[in-house]
Amino acid sequence: GAGVSQTPSNKVTEKGKYVELRCDPISGHTALYWYRQSLGQGPEFLIYFQGTGAADDSGLPNDRFFAVRPEGSVSTLKIQRTERGDSAVYLCASSPGPSPYEQYFGPGTRLTVT
Amino acid sequence: QKEVEQNSGPLSVPEGAIASLNCTYSDRVSQSFFWYRQYSGKSPELIMSIYSNGDKEDGRFTAQLNKASQYVSLLIRDSQPSDSATYLCAGAEGAAGNKLTFGGGTRVLVKP
Repeated sequence: GAGVSQTPSNKVTEKGKYVELRCDPISGHTALYWYRQSLGQGPEFLIYFQGTGAADDSGLPNDRFFAVRPEGSVSTLKIQRTERGDSAVYLCASSPGPSPYEQYFGPGTRLTVT
Repeated sequence: QKEVEQNSGPLSVPEGAIASLNCTYSDRVSQSFFWYRQYSGKSPELIMSIYSNGDKEDGRFTAQLNKASQYVSLLIRDSQPSDSATYLCAGAEGAAGNKLTFGGGTRVLVKP
């Protein structure tokens, strides 16, 4: 079946702009996660949704970052007033339910802030 | 101390040999662990999960978990050039064990 999809695959934006990154999880998966990966490092947890609600947003670095999942399927990660330090690959993962199910990653969105 | 630690490598192994990767973790990480393979420019691909003490085998891969010593390892038997990648160790953290904490990854190079 189809895996996790993410759009866009690449996004270049200017410092200070607003961006939205979209994630479409595997059909039937109720849990959705966002991670961020910088070059040479492992992914870093941002936020976890179970259904429509954010069950754990402890990884969001500051209030410029926000994510929604209004219908319990597709999720959007929103970044306001982007900074050069936000440049990274943003990864979305989904799992059939909450822990300890395995998480399956999408291809990621490479964000570059100039 | 980081929650999950791995040797960054590179770990160079000849084709056909066994590649042995290790990962140590802190008390904050729960007892669920995962190994992901990541090719350059690609996203992580799940290859193994392990939840209880002991060994778990899947094809050429064997994961080992030792809770007393707080380490988890991955063995790749009959290594192939296509196994050349970065291998990420992850442990589940959080009240419900819902978020993964990753190590920095070990780069593996399999030489023909």
